Amino acid sequence: DTAVSQTPKYLVTQMGNDKSIKCEQNLGHDTMYWYKQDSKKFLKIMFSYNNKELIINETVPNRFSPKSPDKAHLNLHINSLELGDSAVYFCASRAKSLGTTQYFGPGTRLTVL
Amino acid sequence: QKEVEQNSGPLSVPEGAIASLNCTYSDRVSQSFFWYRQYSGKSPELIMSIYSNGDKEDGRFTAQLNKASQYVSLLIRDSQPSDSATYLCAVNRANNDMRFGAGTRLTVKP
Repeated sequence: DTAVSQTPKYLVTQMGNDKSIKCEQNLGHDTMYWYKQDSKKFLKIMFSYNNKELIINETVPNRFSPKSPDKAHLNLHINSLELGDSAVYFCASRAKSLGTTQYFGPGTRLTVL
Repeated sequence: QKEVEQNSGPLSVPEGAIASLNCTYSDRVSQSFFWYRQYSGKSPELIMSIYSNGDKEDGRFTAQLNKASQYVSLLIRDSQPSDSATYLCAVNRANNDMRFGAGTRLTVKP
């Protein structure tokens, strides 16, 4: 009964491929996020959705496209993968009514060869 | 200037000592402040949140906030080897946009 889950946990792929990472939360939260953590451990926000609506869209390449089919899911699709996309991607969620605390998923380690 | 700045460390303290972690932020209108702990290969885990000036204590952890100085700190009393991890300072800006520092790596030596 993991609160925030991500699949896959590890993803190894070739440059130029297209891949997706899925995130699901069973906490009933209304806001979800994608973060990228690089090799220096710097955690940077990429996107945020509230009730399926995009509210934060940081300066990331448009090869990255988030999709939120419902409040419990926020998927990340990446086109034309590049070496620099290698990182750990974390999904997080928050209940707006319960304050600003975010809960993180286990992360997806993406390696682009 | 980075939005959230932390000393990257590593910070090394002996078991039983007090570990002191510091963080400064640039956005004056920030209202919510957090400390996350991240073990190697794991996801960030919330350990403290603080919203008003002063100290907030939770077990061996004390968070301190000074909005005038734009400064947040975390004290860990009676440090244990299991406290060895990277500690991330996070600041919540408008629109619930959370910004993280680069983290301070703490090592507690037995």
